[in-house]
Amino acid sequence: GAGVSQSPSNKVTEKGKDVELRCDPISGHTALYWYRQSLGQGLEFLIYFQGNSAPDKSGLPSDRFSAERTGGSVSTLTIQRTQQEDSAVYLCASSLQTSGGVYEQYFGPGTRLTVT
Amino acid sequence: KNEVEQSPQNLTAQEGEFITINCSYSVGISALHWLQQHPGGGIVSLFMLSSGKKKHGRLIATINIQERHSSLHITASHPRDSAVYICAVLYNTDKLIFGTGTRLQVFP
Repeated sequence: GAGVSQSPSNKVTEKGKDVELRCDPISGHTALYWYRQSLGQGLEFLIYFQGNSAPDKSGLPSDRFSAERTGGSVSTLTIQRTQQEDSAVYLCASSLQTSGGVYEQYFGPGTRLTVT
Repeated sequence: KNEVEQSPQNLTAQEGEFITINCSYSVGISALHWLQQHPGGGIVSLFMLSSGKKKHGRLIATINIQERHSSLHITASHPRDSAVYICAVLYNTDKLIFGTGTRLQVFP
């Protein structure tokens, strides 16, 4: 079956512009996660959705970052007024419902964002 | 101090060698993932485990909950195993906390 997909695969934007990154999770997966991998650094958690609600937004680095999920499926990560330090690979993952159990996360191919 | 520590950071091996990558974590967890990331960035989940041992082909993962330690073993290593291997732990909130990764290069 289809895995997690993300679009665009690459995005180059000018400093100060807004960008939207999209994630399509595996069908039926109720949990969705956004992570970021900056150049030369490790992966860091950004936000987690269970259905359409986000019980954990603790990883969002600033109020320029926001995310939403609609219909329990597609999610969009929006970065407003991009800065050069936002340049990174943004990864999305999804898993089956997590309450009462532990389920494996499946990762998308990522969106490479470059802010010039 | 990172909550998830991996060692070694870099590892070079000759084809056929047995490889071990270690992961230690500082708090109680629900489960632990071993992930593989190839050049180009795609991440594949190799294992998720919360106790004992799992095996898939030439890969073996073990975890000791009491010692808060996990190991990833690769038997009969091959150049196609060259990648970054990442340990990630799952806490109650279901978000993953990642180690810094181990860069493995296997030469023919």
